[in-house]
Amino acid sequence: AQSVAQPEDQVNVAEGNPLTVKCTYSVSGNPYLFWYVQYPNRGLQFLLKYITGDNLVKGSYGFEAEFNKSQTSFHLKKPSALVSDSALYFCAVRDIWQAGTALIFGKGTTLSVSS
Amino acid sequence: GAVVSQHPSRVICKSGTSVKIECRSLDFQATTMFWYRQFPKQSLMLMATSNEGSKATYEQGVEKDKFLINHASLTLSTLTVTSAHPEDSSFYICSAFRELGETQYFGPGTRLLVL
Repeated sequence: AQSVAQPEDQVNVAEGNPLTVKCTYSVSGNPYLFWYVQYPNRGLQFLLKYITGDNLVKGSYGFEAEFNKSQTSFHLKKPSALVSDSALYFCAVRDIWQAGTALIFGKGTTLSVSS
Repeated sequence: GAVVSQHPSRVICKSGTSVKIECRSLDFQATTMFWYRQFPKQSLMLMATSNEGSKATYEQGVEKDKFLINHASLTLSTLTVTSAHPEDSSFYICSAFRELGETQYFGPGTRLLVL
């Protein structure tokens, strides 16, 4: 069975500091991994994905994530946080051999960036 | 980027009435769309997978006769909440799967309040 764990309910960081939002996954095969961001009362916005290739993936708004197969992790990072990055972040996974199936989401991590 | 719209964004209805929510992929065709439900400060719960031209596949515990899904074209899926009750009040989010890039794109969500 596929699953995603986001161990932190909330991450607090000061503006200008680097941020990390953690994600670990479990799939039976090889994973496709995604990060989405959700602002209040809005749908999810796609940030970035890992399908194959370089383990370091760069996405929207200066975010990046590193795929670590041995640790089954896909942590989201940004070198310098902005107050406007404050939102709910979701990690998601599916097996590469299950094309067209729905993503499995983690519970979400609230990022709070203080000025 | 890929755009998915949802209509309406908010709806208030009386208990016992039916509500239809539309999900459209605006700039790509989507053979597969997904319907999720999200409770406050929680993750997305997959309700069903909608495939164009065929019956939807419902997740365990989701009543197919209550949540009617129709995917009549490659750009439109609808979710009808029949005989809505207050416990159906929630945030409903649709997602369209774009095969090019193998990514799910999400609509902005529909806030349903049943009185």
